[in-house]
Amino acid sequence: QKEVEQNSGPLSVPEGAIASLNCTYSDRVSQSFFWYRQYSGKSPELIMSIYSNGDKEDGRFTAQLNKASQYVSLLIRDSQPSDSATYLCAVKGVGSGYALNFGKGTSLLVTP
Amino acid sequence: ETGVTQTPRHLVMGMTNKKSLKCEQHLGHNAMYWYKQSAKKPLELMFVYSLEERVENNSVPSRFSPECPNSSHLFLHLHTLQPEDSALYLCASSQGPSSYNEQFFGPGTRLTVL
Repeated sequence: QKEVEQNSGPLSVPEGAIASLNCTYSDRVSQSFFWYRQYSGKSPELIMSIYSNGDKEDGRFTAQLNKASQYVSLLIRDSQPSDSATYLCAVKGVGSGYALNFGKGTSLLVTP
Repeated sequence: ETGVTQTPRHLVMGMTNKKSLKCEQHLGHNAMYWYKQSAKKPLELMFVYSLEERVENNSVPSRFSPECPNSSHLFLHLHTLQPEDSALYLCASSQGPSSYNEQFFGPGTRLTVL
């Protein structure tokens, strides 16, 4: 069973701080990693994808990937109350066809 | 909103009803997906269509029946559902099965089975 694990939270951070969201995965041959943001009552929205070890930055978001440790994280700098949402980690393995394996998500609350 | 639309947005049905969910993608993608999202559970992949051919079916009960008439449209036909089928049903699309397969979701249909 290919698993993607996330702390369910809620993770509470003050406005302006850095929020750090973590994800571990069990399939060693996973190649592609995605972060989705899901507001309550809405559908998931793709915010970051990462395929190589290291960091990838896009605005206030930085995705970090460490394949040796089977670990991917999302950093949100200068957190805003509008960042309050559930963040889903998704992983795709080699030869897994079309399927993405999703974690249950981490709930983030940014307090003013 | 993304380039994936879904109708209806909300649906309430009895266990003996027959209804259909519709999805349309305007992104020029060639793969489309149905997912189920239940409370406190990870997103569950139900079906995948690539170029109108079903390529994955993850042990979904036969009361769910997908249909993909062309690469832009996807339907999920529902009949004799159970209350435990109440969930958010999400459609997604992507360019294809490669490892760089970014999937984009529609707004979902919130289904309640009475």
